[in-house]
Formats: sequence, structure tokens, C-alpha cells
Amino acid sequence: LAKTTQPISMDSYEGQEVNITCSHNNIATNDYITWYQQFPSQGPRFIIQGYKTKVTNEVASLFIPADRKSSTLSLPRVSLSDTAVYYCLVESSGSARQLTFGSGTQLTVLP
Amino acid sequence: NAGVMQNPRHLVRRRGQEARLRCSPMKGHSHVYWYRQLPEEGLKFMVYLQKENIIDESGMPKERFSAEFPKEGPSILRIQQVVRGDSAAYFCASSPPSQGDSPLHFGNGTRLTVT
Repeated sequence: LAKTTQPISMDSYEGQEVNITCSHNNIATNDYITWYQQFPSQGPRFIIQGYKTKVTNEVASLFIPADRKSSTLSLPRVSLSDTAVYYCLVESSGSARQLTFGSGTQLTVLP
Repeated sequence: NAGVMQNPRHLVRRRGQEARLRCSPMKGHSHVYWYRQLPEEGLKFMVYLQKENIIDESGMPKERFSAEFPKEGPSILRIQQVVRGDSAAYFCASSPPSQGDSPLHFGNGTRLTVT
């Protein structure tokens, strides 16, 4: 399982774009990247997933460079309700899943 | 379409008692995962089950902890003779039979407090 490294915390202001980068230097060919969001007292919630280049949905964008050794979650125009912990995961397609979560990034959006 | 349901939401047990945590996966999901989260920490994988089978229990403590996912009914995480260090939030997640790259759907957890 590829190990991931992400910043422990980040602060932002309402209306700004937030980019959270995750390093996964030993990502394997079949691995893909998934991001989850967790609010206090709730379970993690899926945000976005990708294998390479760029993926966009109604909530976020995910940028993955050609070497795939990192990925960046981009949240456009954050609001106070985006304050949460964001987890980056790397997993292998088709393998028995453990989905090891790191400590995540605590994003705090300030007014 | 109900999501992953966990109960109880909060559970208080005295040291030495047993704790039973229940998880009903999303409709159509046959894969269940249990995670433990200590305060201010990330989620730690415990066990991965399919109907009537334990697929991976590498994250589960060897003693006092057990999990099952019977053919009928919810998945159960059972902790015998609880100790204070078992106090944590326990999350269950599920995914459909054809895993592929299907994201996990999590419940809102059971918060176990051992007094």
C-alpha cells in the first residue's frame, strides 16, 4: 500500500480556492487516488477519485501530474461549511481493500 | 435509499463488559469494513468482511475483538471485556459486490466510552 503524506492543517478564508496536496511517491501502476471529507462526529464522505490528469465533479477537482507521485485536491470558493478533515488515499484496483487512512489535513475556513 | 446505518450511536460500557456494535450496509452492498478512530487521529482499518466470510482481519487486535457478517442481518463488531483503551469511534463502511474502484460509503459511527 502506497504511503501518503499531506499537510496536517491549512487555514483559508471564505470565497478562496483551496488546494491540498498529497504526496504518494511509491504509487504503483494500478493504484488510483481517492479523497474523503470528514466532519466532526460523522463518517468520512467520498469527494472525488482519479487515476491521472484531471477529474472534476460538482464539488471539487483533482489534479494528478504525469508521474502520479502527488495529487492536488482543489476546492473552489470555500465556505465555512467546508471546514473538515480531508483524507487522501491510494489503493489498488481489484485488490483486497484495507484503505489505510493517514491523519488527514484539517482545513479551517475563516470568515 | 438509506445509507450505512450504525447503532447504537453512543455506547457506554464499564470495564469488563461486552460491547456489540451493529452495522447495516447500504442496500445492495455485500462488502463491509470496520475502522476505529481514536480522538484526534485518523481511521485505522480493523477488518474487511463479505457475507459469511472474513476477508482480511489484519487490523483487528488478536484478543477480545471479533467481527461477523451473517447471511441475514447486520454486521456485528464485538468487543469482549472492554478496557478504557477501547474508547473510540468505530466506523463501518460498505461497498457493492463488484468493488473495482467503488468508493466506500461510511456510517456515522458508534462512539464507545468505557468507564
